[in-house]
Amino acid sequence: QVQLQESGPGLVKPSETLSLTCIVSGGSMSSYYWSWIRQPPGKGLEWIGYIYYSGGTNYNPSLKSRVTISVDTSKNQFSLKLSSVTAADSAVYYCARAPGYASGWSHDYWGQGILVTVSS
Amino acid sequence: EVVLTQSPGTLSLSPGERATLSCRASQTVNTRYLAWYQQKPGQAPRLLIYGTSSRASGIPDRFSGSGSGTDFSLTISGLEPEDSAVYYCQQYSATPLTFGQGTKVEI
Repeated sequence: QVQLQESGPGLVKPSETLSLTCIVSGGSMSSYYWSWIRQPPGKGLEWIGYIYYSGGTNYNPSLKSRVTISVDTSKNQFSLKLSSVTAADSAVYYCARAPGYASGWSHDYWGQGILVTVSS
Repeated sequence: EVVLTQSPGTLSLSPGERATLSCRASQTVNTRYLAWYQQKPGQAPRLLIYGTSSRASGIPDRFSGSGSGTDFSLTISGLEPEDSAVYYCQQYSATPLTFGQGTKVEI
């Protein structure tokens, strides 16, 4: 059974960089796309971007200038960096797996989510 | 960006009834790239439907999806108490991948 687990600081200061890691267990990262998705408290879902296991990326244009997603398949993990954060970046951050074209770019496995608050 | 508008905002029904949730897109969405998720409080979203009408693994057959073009729907036949949740549609027919704002189903 594939499992994803987010980790990282729960509190980040304004203007600093938010850094999160997602560890994938129970399966290989190969041939899959790996997404970051966030959800402000009480609000809807926003896709941040994805990375293919081989390293190709695609980011949401609304965040592209501040986002970097990287992958380390040797450690079965991928990471998110979001720079110059503000209070508007406070959210639950999810990592998720997308099989890609085969499943119509749906996300079939999700981490439990990690709440990140931006505050001084 | 493809904007997905879900309606109604909240649906209050009784056990055993049928729920029909709508997801309308601001432009044509390829049926292959329309999915539905269920999210319960404090939990991550759970994939229900992909490719407009294909049920994900382990999803009961009371959940069904349909639609084409700009209009899609999720139907829950024979509501169970555990179906109380927020339901989101998602598209990736065009980048960026977007979600609807959600429909809350109360039972």
